[in-house]
Amino acid sequence: QKEVEQDPGPLSVPEGAIVSLNCTYSNSAFQYFMWYRQYSRKGPELLMYTYSSGNKEDGRFTAQVDKSSKYISLFIRDSQPSDSATYLCAPYQGGSEKLVFGKGTKLTVNP
Amino acid sequence: KAGVTQTPRYLIKTRGQQVTLSCSPISGHRSVSWYQQTPGQGLQFLFEYFSETQRNKGNFPGRFSGRQFSNSRSEMNVSTLELGDSALYLCASSPGQGLQPQHFGDGTRLSIL
Repeated sequence: QKEVEQDPGPLSVPEGAIVSLNCTYSNSAFQYFMWYRQYSRKGPELLMYTYSSGNKEDGRFTAQVDKSSKYISLFIRDSQPSDSATYLCAPYQGGSEKLVFGKGTKLTVNP
Repeated sequence: KAGVTQTPRYLIKTRGQQVTLSCSPISGHRSVSWYQQTPGQGLQFLFEYFSETQRNKGNFPGRFSGRQFSNSRSEMNVSTLELGDSALYLCASSPGQGLQPQHFGDGTRLSIL
């Protein structure tokens, strides 16, 4: 079983839609859960991260972690064409600089 | 503040050759990590350096190596190139102590002919 599984999509939605992006993971030692956004021909940039289970909100973005089911979600409200990118989940084990990435979900928001 | 700089942006090599990629981290960052990104495997961790010492290593063959200099700049070397080494190679830097977000460069696109 892969450490991190992420549906690669692609996902295409109309502007203003609510988007749900998801990952599952297998390693119980993961404590922090990061979401990166990668635009075409650019490196990934950190969007937000959460610690342990629970929700975290940042503007139109909400990250959610359920450690009991090893499930990570990123919700985007009122999606914009500028949100079109590949979204990568990256659970992280404290004490290591190694990030384990999902394969990424490619999102297109159509005007 | 300048971001992570990777050079060159694009590179074309042939099988059997070797290649060296360069990464300049954000000023003050002491940790540099390297990742390989391919459509099939996604982003995979290669190795991480902190204060000129390799702290972590991914599951890649010995043809992949790296080093870090005293100014935190890092180089990655791939010897005896294979077609499967065609990928985007990304470098990320962080302060290196505790949980700190990694900041990525825009990568070097390596194509093997």
